[in-house]
Amino acid sequence: SQKIEQNSEALNIQEGKTATLTCNYTNYSPAYLQWYRQDPGRGPVFLLLIRENEKEKRKERLKVTFDTTLKQSLFHITASQPADSATYLCALLHTGGFKTIFGAGTRLFVKA
Amino acid sequence: GAVVSQHPSRVICKSGTSVKIECRSLDFQATTMFWYRQFPKQSLMLMATSNEGSKATYEQGVEKDKFLINHASLTLSTLTVTSAHPEDSSFYICSARPPTPDRENQPQHFGDGTRLSIL
Repeated sequence: SQKIEQNSEALNIQEGKTATLTCNYTNYSPAYLQWYRQDPGRGPVFLLLIRENEKEKRKERLKVTFDTTLKQSLFHITASQPADSATYLCALLHTGGFKTIFGAGTRLFVKA
Repeated sequence: GAVVSQHPSRVICKSGTSVKIECRSLDFQATTMFWYRQFPKQSLMLMATSNEGSKATYEQGVEKDKFLINHASLTLSTLTVTSAHPEDSSFYICSARPPTPDRENQPQHFGDGTRLSIL
């Protein structure tokens, strides 16, 4: 069955450092991979989308990579800030697909 | 501002009560909306796809008679949890995606969720 794995353990980093979150998937060939941010008690908020033919995408302090051979995406936040503390969700969608599959998310804590 | 509005944000009620949750798309017409359920520290689980003017499509294992979905207009979908029991307590979230030809290229816009607690 299709499976998305994100680090279940929380990631704790110091302010100013780069946070790197991992998303691995199996039994799936997504054409699109998305990253969302979710704060406690709130709905997810879209951050970045990357296509299968793209290796890397950047938006301000955010960077996403997509390796379809390794079936992995890395999500980087540079110069992290305490306000970046949240849960980050990886989501996959295939071409012509209608339903998005979400990972369980990784909780990030950025300490001042 | 919010693109998708969900109401209410929190409901606490007695077992056996039916609860209605509303999801509205504010900036675009959504022929399709999605309803998710999320347990603590777990991923969003798609419950059903709400289709304007037609029946909802339910995921395997989701009771359609338990979770009634009505998508009566292009901007409103409702989820009614009928005869709710404590095991129905969860965080329910709706989403919508702008209706463009390359829909896969469009992110989903989520409501802020409804925390349902059944006593």
